[in-house]
Amino acid sequence: LAKTTQPISMDSYEGQEVNITCSHNNIATNDYITWYQQFPSQGPRFIIQGYKTKVTNEVASLFIPADRKSSTLSLPRVSLSDTAVYYCLVGWNRDDKIIFGKGTRLHILP
Amino acid sequence: DTEVTQTPKHLVMGMTNKKSLKCEQHMGHRAMYWYKQKAKKPPELMFVYSYEKLSINESVPSRFSPECPNSSLLNLHLHALQPEDSALYLCASSQGSGISGNQPQHFGDGTRLSIL
Repeated sequence: LAKTTQPISMDSYEGQEVNITCSHNNIATNDYITWYQQFPSQGPRFIIQGYKTKVTNEVASLFIPADRKSSTLSLPRVSLSDTAVYYCLVGWNRDDKIIFGKGTRLHILP
Repeated sequence: DTEVTQTPKHLVMGMTNKKSLKCEQHMGHRAMYWYKQKAKKPPELMFVYSYEKLSINESVPSRFSPECPNSSLLNLHLHALQPEDSALYLCASSQGSGISGNQPQHFGDGTRLSIL
């Protein structure tokens, strides 16, 4: 079963580009990679999803190498409001019943 | 504003009470989910409904009883809860059957439940 590993926390500054990498060595052939953002006392919000290579939308880019064993969420020119927890989700990575990985706490500094 | 509406936003109940959490979506999604989230932890999947039928039950204690009256509504009935059940309960919906986990999920903002 695919299990995801992300950095526990990251700090960055306003205006910088932030890259958060998720490793998923056991990703299955039909699994997509999905990223969510969660603010305190709110539900997670879908950011971006991809299967391979690169996906870009109005808020982020997702880079997936050919072996698909990792993925990188790229947030361009972050602001204070990007401070949140970011989760990488791969299909149903049902390890210990936790579908979501532990997430990355991103703290943006002024 | 979210497209998945959960009520109530906050709920305080005693261990002998019976209460229900409600979730509603009008996006035409046929998969609906209940998650439990403790502070500073990721959401934990509890149940998945696919086309109004329970398709995944992650060994949740019977004091939590889900119900899907129709394709837009999802309830979670609570009875004889324990203090450790205090958490944020999140509802989500997605297109597709919900079996693969590949469809993006739309979450409500949850019900903050406190058990006295």
